[in-house]
Amino acid sequence: AQTVTQSQPEMSVQEAETVTLSCTYDTSESDYYLFWYKQPPSRQMILVIRQEAYKQQNATENRFSVNFQKAAKSFSLKISDSQLGDAAMYFCAYRNQGGSEKLVFGKGTKLTVNP
Amino acid sequence: SQTIHQWPATLVQPVGSPLSLECTVEGTSNPNLYWYRQAAGRGLQLLFYSVGIGQISSEVPQNLSASRPQDRQFILSSKKLLLSDSGFYLCAWSPDPLYTEAFFGQGTRLTVV
Repeated sequence: AQTVTQSQPEMSVQEAETVTLSCTYDTSESDYYLFWYKQPPSRQMILVIRQEAYKQQNATENRFSVNFQKAAKSFSLKISDSQLGDAAMYFCAYRNQGGSEKLVFGKGTKLTVNP
Repeated sequence: SQTIHQWPATLVQPVGSPLSLECTVEGTSNPNLYWYRQAAGRGLQLLFYSVGIGQISSEVPQNLSASRPQDRQFILSSKKLLLSDSGFYLCAWSPDPLYTEAFFGQGTRLTVV
């Protein structure tokens, strides 16, 4: 079974600085998808960024980018120019290719942004 | 556009009482549907997922059950709640087969007392 590990229960960053959240996963599949979700205090889960395993290019969404290392099974999230609104729980998630496959989540990293 | 509705937002129930949480999706057909639980200080635990009407897969044997009586309706139930059932329950849906990510409802905070 696939597993997702987030080794940093909590992280903090100064406003306008850059922070990197770590995620590793375990799978025997070659085709899959990886995601970072954000859960602010409102508890609404929001998709931040998505990466297809077959793509070598790292995904980028404005201030959010990933470092996808397929061989190492590593998928880190970099947040540049951190803003107070970035404070939230961040979850890394994995999904096999295929429409019926379920999402598997890590336990999350709580990010605090200090003014 | 597609929307997901989950209710109630909060619920306080006594131990031993029944439970019914409902989730509906609008604007799509034949979605994959999921129930997750998020306990305090923990990540998201997948409880059930469904790829079609009447098709339910259970991930964790426990005091809960799920049903999908209609294409876009997903219900989480319990006959007798336990204290350990307290938590934040999230319903999610995923379009199939063109998309990959899941979209979440607002969640239900369940407190069993």
